[in-house]
Amino acid sequence: ETGVTQSPTHLIKTRGQQVTLRCSSQSGHNTVSWYQQALGQGPQFIFQYYREEENGRGNFPPRFSGLQFPNYSSELNVNALELDDSALYLCASSPTQTGTANIQYFGAGTRLSVL
Amino acid sequence: GNSVTQMEGPVTLSEEAFLTINCTYTATGYPSLFWYVQYPGEGLQLLLKATKADDKGSNKGFEATYRKETTSFHLEKGSVQVSDSAVYFCALSVYGGATNKLIFGTGTLLAVQP
Repeated sequence: ETGVTQSPTHLIKTRGQQVTLRCSSQSGHNTVSWYQQALGQGPQFIFQYYREEENGRGNFPPRFSGLQFPNYSSELNVNALELDDSALYLCASSPTQTGTANIQYFGAGTRLSVL
Repeated sequence: GNSVTQMEGPVTLSEEAFLTINCTYTATGYPSLFWYVQYPGEGLQLLLKATKADDKGSNKGFEATYRKETTSFHLEKGSVQVSDSAVYFCALSVYGGATNKLIFGTGTLLAVQP
């Protein structure tokens, strides 16, 4: 069974640019969540996708957007990058079974540096 | 609102010492509680969970009991090893609407010395 995979592992961008991060969910999982983890902090919820629809969003501006594809993989897009967007971006997927629906399995993350 | 507060680190222990990392929470509804561990340069791994009051989660020698009366979920291990050195995150999940997001504490760095 393949776990959650994210790409790329590291990325360097300059202020004002746009970035796309990718995530492949674990087999059998149809829900994907994205989190931002600033240095020395706990992860903060960005948004969640279920069957290609956004079904929840944290306190992040609209320049953070996402997609989920029919195979349940996902993208996180960030426009007009700011220095404070520098962080580890984590993707997590959840299984379809109701009893374990709230267990989230995380990928290793993408480290984004904005210069 | 929902929030998690955990003890600040770093926590530095000698090998085979007893570990406690405190975690308290505030939640509306009936949260599920989790401990995740993050090793250097890696993502988060689920360590253990509890879904209702008085449940005890356990894994790899770590334990935590869901205490509704004190709104706590303290992590314990009887004898730590150098390989346990990592950042530990307490988290809760409340299913609201269609979203089961996780809310994390700020993390506690554990350093175990040989």
